[in-house]
Amino acid sequence: GDSVTQMEGPVTLSEEAFLTINCTYTATGYPSLFWYVQYPGEGLQLLLKATKADDKGSNKGFEATYRKETTSFHLEKGSVQVSDSAVYFCALYTGGFKTIFGAGTRLFVKA
Amino acid sequence: EAGVAQSPRYKIIEKRQSVAFWCNPISGHATLYWYQQILGQGPKLLIQFQNNGVVDDSQLPKDRFSAERLKGVDSTLKIQPAKLEDSAVYLCASSPASSSAGNTIYFGEGSWLTVV
Repeated sequence: GDSVTQMEGPVTLSEEAFLTINCTYTATGYPSLFWYVQYPGEGLQLLLKATKADDKGSNKGFEATYRKETTSFHLEKGSVQVSDSAVYFCALYTGGFKTIFGAGTRLFVKA
Repeated sequence: EAGVAQSPRYKIIEKRQSVAFWCNPISGHATLYWYQQILGQGPKLLIQFQNNGVVDDSQLPKDRFSAERLKGVDSTLKIQPAKLEDSAVYLCASSPASSSAGNTIYFGEGSWLTVV
């Protein structure tokens, strides 16, 4: 079945460090891919998305490229801030209103 | 545009008691979801409505959980009787009617349940 696998956390970085959170997926067909972020005490919110192969989603300095050949959608940011500390969820949508979430990766950014 | 509204935000109950959570989705969104998020895990879909019909409730523990969306707008999730393992955040979410590529889901802030 369809599934999403994310790198395990927590990831701890110093401010201004480079961030990569890996996400790979298994899906039939051509899914849309998402990154959601959950700040402490809040619900999830969409960070970025890509709907077809080679698309790059970007928002707030984060970006991710839909790589069909490697079935990946890794999240990157060039310089993280303390305010980026949160849990990041990779997700895929294959149609029929069904979205599958990864387990989440917690990011801690130290000042 | 108002977001997804949920209440109550926090609830502490004893095991075997009952609890109900309410959700009002974004206006015009046909699809409504209830997710359970246990600490340290990703959201797990409990039930999904399309208008007032159930699309998927395969992971809803039907012996104790129930949900309804009577008029195709707001929804209620009930747990009766609660167990200790039901302690979690219950996230309500909604999405627009179209199933075109890129089905973005909009989440509420969640209802935090602690069963003691």
